[in-house]
Amino acid sequence: QKEVEQDPGPLSVPEGAIVSLNCTYSNSAFQYFMWYRQYSRKGPELLMYTYSSGNKEDGRFTAQVDKSSKYISLFIRDSQPSDSATYLCAMSSYNTDKLIFGTGTRLQVFP
Amino acid sequence: DSGVTQTPKHLITATGQRVTLRCSPRSGDLSVYWYQQSLDQGLQFLIQYYNGEERAKGNILERFSAQQFPDLHSELNLSSLELGDSALYFCASSGETGDQPQHFGDGTRLSIL
Repeated sequence: QKEVEQDPGPLSVPEGAIVSLNCTYSNSAFQYFMWYRQYSRKGPELLMYTYSSGNKEDGRFTAQVDKSSKYISLFIRDSQPSDSATYLCAMSSYNTDKLIFGTGTRLQVFP
Repeated sequence: DSGVTQTPKHLITATGQRVTLRCSPRSGDLSVYWYQQSLDQGLQFLIQYYNGEERAKGNILERFSAQQFPDLHSELNLSSLELGDSALYFCASSGETGDQPQHFGDGTRLSIL
Protein backbone atom coordinates (compact mmCIF):
# COMPACT_ATOMS: atom_id res chain seq x y z
CA GLN A 1 0.00 0.00 0.00
CA LYS A 2 1.30 3.43 -0.94
CA GLU A 3 1.85 6.01 1.80
CA VAL A 4 -0.23 8.54 -0.14
CA GLU A 5 -3.22 7.64 -2.30
CA GLN A 6 -4.71 9.97 -4.89
CA ASP A 7 -7.37 9.33 -7.52
CA PRO A 8 -5.65 9.74 -10.91
CA GLY A 9 -8.78 10.97 -12.68
CA PRO A 10 -9.12 12.40 -15.23
CA LEU A 11 -11.70 14.72 -13.74
CA SER A 12 -13.63 16.70 -16.33
CA VAL A 13 -15.81 19.66 -15.22
CA PRO A 14 -17.47 22.65 -16.88
CA GLU A 15 -16.13 26.16 -16.40
CA GLY A 16 -17.43 27.71 -13.17
CA ALA A 17 -17.78 24.41 -11.32
CA ILE A 18 -16.45 23.72 -7.85
CA VAL A 19 -13.73 21.09 -7.97
CA SER A 20 -12.80 18.82 -5.08
CA LEU A 21 -9.47 16.99 -5.11
CA ASN A 22 -8.50 14.57 -2.37
CA CYS A 23 -5.68 12.52 -0.95
CA THR A 24 -5.53 9.97 1.82
CA TYR A 25 -2.42 8.90 3.64
CA SER A 26 -1.31 6.25 6.10
CA ASN A 27 1.65 7.80 7.95
CA SER A 28 0.44 9.62 11.07
CA ALA A 29 3.82 11.40 11.32
CA PHE A 30 3.00 13.68 8.37
CA GLN A 31 2.74 17.28 9.57
CA TYR A 32 3.21 19.42 6.45
CA PHE A 33 0.77 19.19 3.56
CA MET A 34 1.08 20.73 0.13
CA TRP A 35 -0.77 20.96 -3.12
CA TYR A 36 1.14 21.47 -6.33
CA ARG A 37 -0.17 22.15 -9.83
CA GLN A 38 1.75 20.78 -12.79
CA TYR A 39 1.17 21.83 -16.38
CA SER A 40 2.44 19.69 -19.22
CA ARG A 41 6.21 19.96 -19.65
CA LYS A 42 6.55 22.13 -16.55
CA GLY A 43 7.65 21.59 -12.99
CA PRO A 44 5.25 21.34 -10.02
CA GLU A 45 4.08 24.79 -8.91
CA LEU A 46 3.27 25.28 -5.24
CA LEU A 47 -0.37 26.21 -4.69
CA MET A 48 -1.03 25.66 -1.01
CA TYR A 49 1.09 24.85 2.04
CA THR A 50 -0.44 23.96 5.37
CA TYR A 51 0.80 22.73 8.71
CA SER A 52 -1.15 20.18 10.75
CA SER A 53 -4.96 20.23 10.68
CA GLY A 54 -7.27 23.01 9.58
CA ASN A 55 -8.26 25.08 6.61
CA LYS A 56 -6.38 27.59 4.50
CA GLU A 57 -7.81 29.81 1.81
CA ASP A 58 -6.04 31.64 -1.01
CA GLY A 59 -8.23 33.26 -3.63
CA ARG A 60 -10.26 30.55 -5.37
CA PHE A 61 -8.34 27.77 -3.61
CA THR A 62 -9.09 26.23 -0.21
CA ALA A 63 -6.99 23.50 1.37
CA GLN A 64 -8.34 21.33 4.18
CA VAL A 65 -6.43 18.91 6.37
CA ASP A 66 -8.12 16.36 8.64
CA LYS A 67 -5.37 14.53 10.48
CA SER A 68 -7.79 12.39 12.46
CA SER A 69 -9.05 10.89 9.19
CA LYS A 70 -5.68 11.14 7.41
CA TYR A 71 -7.41 13.01 4.61
CA ILE A 72 -6.59 16.23 2.77
CA SER A 73 -8.58 18.16 0.20
CA LEU A 74 -8.17 20.99 -2.26
CA PHE A 75 -11.23 22.91 -3.40
CA ILE A 76 -11.19 25.11 -6.47
CA ARG A 77 -14.09 27.57 -6.79
CA ASP A 78 -15.22 29.09 -10.09
CA SER A 79 -12.93 26.77 -12.04
CA GLN A 80 -11.38 28.13 -15.24
CA PRO A 81 -10.01 26.39 -18.35
CA SER A 82 -6.58 27.65 -17.22
CA ASP A 83 -6.95 25.40 -14.15
CA SER A 84 -6.64 22.37 -16.44
CA ALA A 85 -3.52 20.62 -15.16
CA THR A 86 -2.39 17.75 -12.96
CA TYR A 87 -2.75 18.38 -9.23
CA LEU A 88 -0.34 16.67 -6.88
CA CYS A 89 -0.66 16.38 -3.14
CA ALA A 90 2.56 16.10 -1.14
CA MET A 91 3.41 15.60 2.51
CA SER A 92 6.35 15.48 4.85
CA SER A 93 6.91 14.70 8.49
CA TYR A 94 8.49 16.85 11.17
CA ASN A 95 11.87 15.07 11.10
CA THR A 96 12.52 15.01 7.35
CA ASP A 97 12.18 17.42 4.45
CA LYS A 98 11.58 14.57 2.00
CA LEU A 99 8.26 15.02 0.20
CA ILE A 100 6.01 12.05 -0.44
CA PHE A 101 3.77 12.71 -3.42
CA GLY A 102 0.46 11.34 -4.55
CA THR A 103 0.28 10.12 -8.12
CA GLY A 104 -1.59 13.27 -9.21
CA THR A 105 -5.13 13.96 -10.45
CA ARG A 106 -5.56 15.23 -13.98
CA LEU A 107 -8.19 17.98 -14.14
CA GLN A 108 -9.84 19.23 -17.31
CA VAL A 109 -12.06 22.32 -17.21
CA PHE A 110 -13.99 22.80 -20.42
CA PRO A 111 -15.53 26.12 -21.54
CA ASP B 1 8.74 31.47 -12.48
CA SER B 2 9.83 29.57 -9.35
CA GLY B 3 13.37 30.94 -9.41
CA VAL B 4 14.86 27.43 -9.66
CA THR B 5 16.83 26.94 -12.88
CA GLN B 6 17.59 23.56 -14.41
CA THR B 7 19.74 22.81 -17.43
CA PRO B 8 19.57 21.26 -19.92
CA LYS B 9 15.84 21.02 -20.58
CA HIS B 10 16.22 17.84 -22.61
CA LEU B 11 18.98 15.26 -22.89
CA ILE B 12 19.08 12.42 -25.36
CA THR B 13 21.77 9.81 -24.93
CA ALA B 14 22.45 6.09 -25.23
CA THR B 15 22.62 3.21 -22.80
CA GLY B 16 25.88 2.98 -20.87
CA GLN B 17 26.58 6.70 -21.08
CA ARG B 18 27.00 9.26 -18.31
CA VAL B 19 25.21 12.60 -18.01
CA THR B 20 25.23 15.56 -15.64
CA LEU B 21 22.13 17.57 -14.76
CA ARG B 22 22.55 21.01 -13.26
CA CYS B 23 20.37 23.00 -10.84
CA SER B 24 20.60 26.56 -9.53
CA PRO B 25 18.39 27.10 -6.46
CA ARG B 26 16.32 30.18 -5.65
CA SER B 27 18.33 33.05 -4.29
CA GLY B 28 18.89 32.53 -0.56
CA ASP B 29 17.81 28.87 -0.48
CA LEU B 30 20.32 26.53 1.13
CA SER B 31 18.59 23.20 0.52
CA VAL B 32 18.48 21.48 -2.84
CA TYR B 33 16.46 18.36 -3.57
CA TRP B 34 16.42 16.02 -6.54
CA TYR B 35 13.33 14.08 -7.59
CA GLN B 36 12.64 11.65 -10.42
CA GLN B 37 9.26 11.58 -12.15
CA SER B 38 8.29 8.60 -14.26
CA LEU B 39 4.92 7.46 -15.55
CA ASP B 40 4.77 4.34 -13.41
CA GLN B 41 6.40 5.65 -10.20
CA GLY B 42 5.26 9.25 -10.01
CA LEU B 43 7.51 11.77 -8.24
CA GLN B 44 10.16 10.03 -6.14
CA PHE B 45 12.66 11.72 -3.82
CA LEU B 46 16.27 10.97 -4.66
CA ILE B 47 18.56 13.07 -2.48
CA GLN B 48 18.83 16.32 -0.49
CA TYR B 49 21.78 18.62 0.06
CA TYR B 50 21.92 21.41 2.60
CA ASN B 51 24.62 24.06 2.35
CA GLY B 52 27.02 21.67 0.62
CA GLU B 53 26.39 18.62 2.79
CA GLU B 54 24.26 15.57 2.01
CA ARG B 55 21.29 15.63 4.39
CA ALA B 56 18.94 12.86 3.24
CA LYS B 57 18.90 10.04 0.76
CA GLY B 58 15.91 8.39 -0.86
CA ASN B 59 15.54 5.83 -3.59
CA ILE B 60 18.71 6.82 -5.38
CA LEU B 61 20.59 4.17 -7.34
CA GLU B 62 24.29 3.59 -6.71
CA ARG B 63 24.91 4.62 -10.34
CA PHE B 64 23.59 8.08 -9.45
CA SER B 65 25.42 10.67 -7.39
CA ALA B 66 25.00 14.33 -6.57
CA GLN B 67 26.85 17.21 -5.04
CA GLN B 68 26.24 20.80 -4.01
CA PHE B 69 28.94 23.37 -4.66
CA PRO B 70 30.00 26.40 -2.55
CA ASP B 71 27.86 28.69 -4.71
CA LEU B 72 24.93 26.35 -3.79
CA HIS B 73 24.24 25.06 -7.28
CA SER B 74 23.89 21.31 -7.50
CA GLU B 75 24.64 18.63 -10.04
CA LEU B 76 23.12 15.18 -10.41
CA ASN B 77 25.36 12.67 -12.15
CA LEU B 78 23.81 9.62 -13.78
CA SER B 79 26.15 6.90 -15.07
CA SER B 80 25.91 3.53 -16.82
CA LEU B 81 22.55 4.67 -18.07
CA GLU B 82 19.80 2.13 -18.70
CA LEU B 83 16.57 2.44 -20.68
CA GLY B 84 14.65 2.55 -17.40
CA ASP B 85 16.44 5.75 -16.36
CA SER B 86 14.42 7.67 -18.94
CA ALA B 87 12.37 10.10 -16.87
CA LEU B 88 11.92 13.71 -15.83
CA TYR B 89 14.41 14.85 -13.22
CA PHE B 90 13.36 17.77 -11.06
CA CYS B 91 15.34 19.92 -8.72
CA ALA B 92 13.67 21.81 -5.87
CA SER B 93 15.01 24.25 -3.31
CA SER B 94 13.84 25.55 0.04
CA GLY B 95 14.90 27.90 2.78
CA GLU B 96 16.99 27.18 5.82
CA THR B 97 14.39 25.79 8.20
CA GLY B 98 12.64 22.48 7.80
CA ASP B 99 9.18 24.01 7.56
CA GLN B 100 9.86 25.97 4.38
CA PRO B 101 8.04 24.76 1.24
CA GLN B 102 9.95 23.40 -1.73
CA HIS B 103 9.89 25.20 -5.06
CA PHE B 104 10.56 23.23 -8.21
CA GLY B 105 12.35 23.92 -11.45
CA ASP B 106 10.95 22.87 -14.82
CA GLY B 107 13.03 19.72 -14.93
CA THR B 108 15.36 17.94 -17.31
CA ARG B 109 13.79 15.34 -19.58
CA LEU B 110 16.22 12.45 -20.00
CA SER B 111 15.67 10.12 -22.95
CA ILE B 112 17.79 6.98 -23.22
CA LEU B 113 17.85 5.41 -26.67
